[in-house]
Amino acid sequence: GAVVSQHPSRVICKSGTSVKIECRSLDFQATTMFWYRQFPKKSLMLMATSNEGSKATYEQGVEKDKFLINHASLTLSTLTVTSAHPEDSSFYICSAPRGDSYEKLFFGSGTQLSVL
Amino acid sequence: SQQGEEDPQALSIQEGENATMNCSYKTSINNLQWYRQNSGRGLVHLILIRSNEREKHSGRLRVTLDTSKKSSSLLITASRAADTASYFCATASGTYKYIFGTGTRLKVLA
Repeated sequence: GAVVSQHPSRVICKSGTSVKIECRSLDFQATTMFWYRQFPKKSLMLMATSNEGSKATYEQGVEKDKFLINHASLTLSTLTVTSAHPEDSSFYICSAPRGDSYEKLFFGSGTQLSVL
Repeated sequence: SQQGEEDPQALSIQEGENATMNCSYKTSINNLQWYRQNSGRGLVHLILIRSNEREKHSGRLRVTLDTSKKSSSLLITASRAADTASYFCATASGTYKYIFGTGTRLKVLA
């Protein structure tokens, strides 16, 4: 099956620093990737849709200047949490649909971000 | 906005028993999917059911869909301790954006 690799799996940073999270599709090309945020014992909240070669589409209420998304190639999307604060601490997950139908999502293993 | 609501929020059963979890949604959909998440991990796709289907099976999984009631159920038969995880439904309606339900945390006791 398709594999999506997400790195790092866990990061601890100081308040005010920026953190970059990478999401790679290993055996398929992904023109679109999705970034989610998940709080403990809660569902996934879609933050933004990353589009290869164009600007990301952000969901309502998500600060685009806070969560920078870059999708520079067909296999890599990055999410940068800029000037992180403790309230940004969360579990971030990426996913990518394979094929034209977008019917099945393949997920990365997630990144646990802790901002001190 | 969060579309799917799942119940129960948490379920604890003995190994060998069946586990049933339900998902309700609000708008019309193209398909509905169920995903599984182990603690602190990403999600794994389990099964997809299209809007014109009523029931689907995959191994020990049985999914039903009632579009008139805007609801779906996931049945896991003969549960195992390894089935312990959170289960989410996800719906897509017209676009490729999937909205995830609130999830059911299943615990299977050995």
